[in-house]
Amino acid sequence: AQRVTQPEKLLSVFKGAPVELKCNYSYSGSPELFWYVQYSRQRLQLLLRHISRESIKGFTADLNKGETSFHLKKPFAQEEDSAMYYCALSDAGGTSYGKLTFGQGTILTVHP
Amino acid sequence: EAGVTQSPTHLIKTRGQQATLRCSPISGHTSVYWYQQALGLGLQFLLWYDEGEERNRGNFPPRFSGRQFPNYSSELNVNALELEDSALYLCASGLAGFNEQFFGPGTRLTVL
Repeated sequence: AQRVTQPEKLLSVFKGAPVELKCNYSYSGSPELFWYVQYSRQRLQLLLRHISRESIKGFTADLNKGETSFHLKKPFAQEEDSAMYYCALSDAGGTSYGKLTFGQGTILTVHP
Repeated sequence: EAGVTQSPTHLIKTRGQQATLRCSPISGHTSVYWYQQALGLGLQFLLWYDEGEERNRGNFPPRFSGRQFPNYSSELNVNALELEDSALYLCASGLAGFNEQFFGPGTRLTVL
């Protein structure tokens, strides 16, 4: 069974500090990993996906298959980064195809 | 471009009743996904429809059902409502074969 773990429910940093939101997964197939973000009073939206290997809003995430991790990083946090962040996994093909498995989410608060 | 829309925004029902939730996907998207976000349980995959067919189903009882119409909009029906069905129900749309999903604002179902 596929599983996504975000060990931190809450994460607080000061503006300008580096931030890392942790995500670990367990899955035996070929996963595709995503980070979704939900800002206050907004809908859930895709932040980035591992196959695109791009930086969005200064955030990056690298898939580490050896450690089964997909941590989200930003070198200098901004107050507008305060939000709920979800790590999600999708089966690239198989019985769980089409299903996103989400972690429990991490609430990031960036203090001025 | 209009995003995924869901109706109603809020729905209040009593135990034993039926609830119908609606979702309109982004134009051009053929797949609709349903998720339940219950307090303390995170986002859980419910159903996936594509081209009018149910393609995948999460670990939910049969009283959770739905359908997809020829215009790709979708309904989620929950029969014999129980108190624990109270949750935010999110709909997402996408293209089959692509794992990226775009989420709607959700319907808040309260069962009294």
